[in-house]
Amino acid sequence: GQQVMQIPQYQHVQEGEDFTTYCNSSTTLSNIQWYKQRPGGHPVFLIQLVKSGEVKKQKRLTFQFGEAKKNSSLHITATQTTDVGTYFCAGPYGNNRLAFGKGNQVVVIP
Amino acid sequence: NAGVTQTPKFQVLKTGQSMTLQCAQDMNHEYMSWYRQDPGMGLRLIHYSVGAGITDQGEVPNGYNVSRSTTEDFPLRLLSAAPSQTSVYFCASSYSGLGARSTEAFFGQGTRLTVV
Repeated sequence: GQQVMQIPQYQHVQEGEDFTTYCNSSTTLSNIQWYKQRPGGHPVFLIQLVKSGEVKKQKRLTFQFGEAKKNSSLHITATQTTDVGTYFCAGPYGNNRLAFGKGNQVVVIP
Repeated sequence: NAGVTQTPKFQVLKTGQSMTLQCAQDMNHEYMSWYRQDPGMGLRLIHYSVGAGITDQGEVPNGYNVSRSTTEDFPLRLLSAAPSQTSVYFCASSYSGLGARSTEAFFGQGTRLTVV
């Protein structure tokens, strides 16, 4: 089954507002990755977090890795129409497997 | 740089037919994998390979075979297509997929497969 859980699965966000998407693992992760998939496209790597409590920023995007390395979040400020898409988190499990969550599909309302 | 190339982009199969989805990467990555994406299910791992000659099963391997005879190529074979295999298939590669050393995955454009 899914090792990585993402909440929420769907979000409708007004343009200009902020939103957060969350990722929770059943086990401690050595690292966590975030990807974005535009409608009709393929997943594209955004960032990797490795250290406990790590926070990284990419312009309007802020990524956090929890202290226990079992959860992560992506916060986007001042949402733009270009932020539409599905955001996935992924973590390594078992024998060299990279497991993805079900994703958070984001719709931006102009 | 081509990255990860998947062919075909679209395919319609009849139930019981077999076919091979092609995947090639030119980044000299050791780790390659196949995922299927279904609505509301995210990306589920079918098979993966940590290097030429080495493959292993993922979360949903039934009905699929893979081989890795070269570093560059990782084809996915559907043995006898079923409607339940209607999906979007993504091939991905990364420098390393090994636990703590796992690195950024590069995805192909995807193959949209319909089985009727």
